[in-house]
Amino acid sequence: QDQLVESGGGVVQPGRSLRLSCAASGFTFGKYAMHWVRQAPGDGLEWLGVISYDASSKFYATSVKGRFTISRDNSQNTLFLEMNSLRVGDTAVYYCAKGLPYDSSGYVTLWGQGTLVTVST
Amino acid sequence: DIQMTQSPSTLSASVGDRVTITCRASQRISAWVAWYQQKPGKAPKLLIYEASTLQSGVPSRFSGSGSGTEFTLTISSLQPDDFATYYCQQYNSYSESFGQGTKVEIK
Repeated sequence: QDQLVESGGGVVQPGRSLRLSCAASGFTFGKYAMHWVRQAPGDGLEWLGVISYDASSKFYATSVKGRFTISRDNSQNTLFLEMNSLRVGDTAVYYCAKGLPYDSSGYVTLWGQGTLVTVST
Repeated sequence: DIQMTQSPSTLSASVGDRVTITCRASQRISAWVAWYQQKPGKAPKLLIYEASTLQSGVPSRFSGSGSGTEFTLTISSLQPDDFATYYCQQYNSYSESFGQGTKVEIK
């Protein structure tokens, strides 16, 4: 069945970088927009950004624009989130999520299990 | 950016109760709203999209309504499995956003 599995989380010092990956299976990855959403401990959901099915369009939340970059490799069915200049406030569980076919804006139909990123000295 | 203001933040209810959660958008967003359910330690689950369309497999006790700036999620008869946190999401623009969440607790 459709599945998303994130990896790459861990403990990182403030100011450093980290790259998350999300492996997709069970569906035609290259047809769908893909999102990243995070959730700080005990907090709500925060949408981070979306990449179109063909990577031609990317949109980001104001809070991470310029620091975070979303990319994808459709040949490897993999989504990425490159995070730079990390801050303590970026500590959260990061989810990758499947959007709509051929549409960059839309709701999420499938979520990964999440990967925890802790930014700490 | 479009802000989604969700209320209440916490709701205490009993099994069998009718429950309503509201989301207000800071600007008109047609019907581009989805609702999700999240249980502790789990990823969210899509319940409703386009304000009122039930996702496949979701029980019919869940319903959504609204357009423009005001939206509601209703659970017609609360079941034990429904105690969770619920989030609205707007996807009107290419800068999507979630409401703050409503935790539905056992009364």
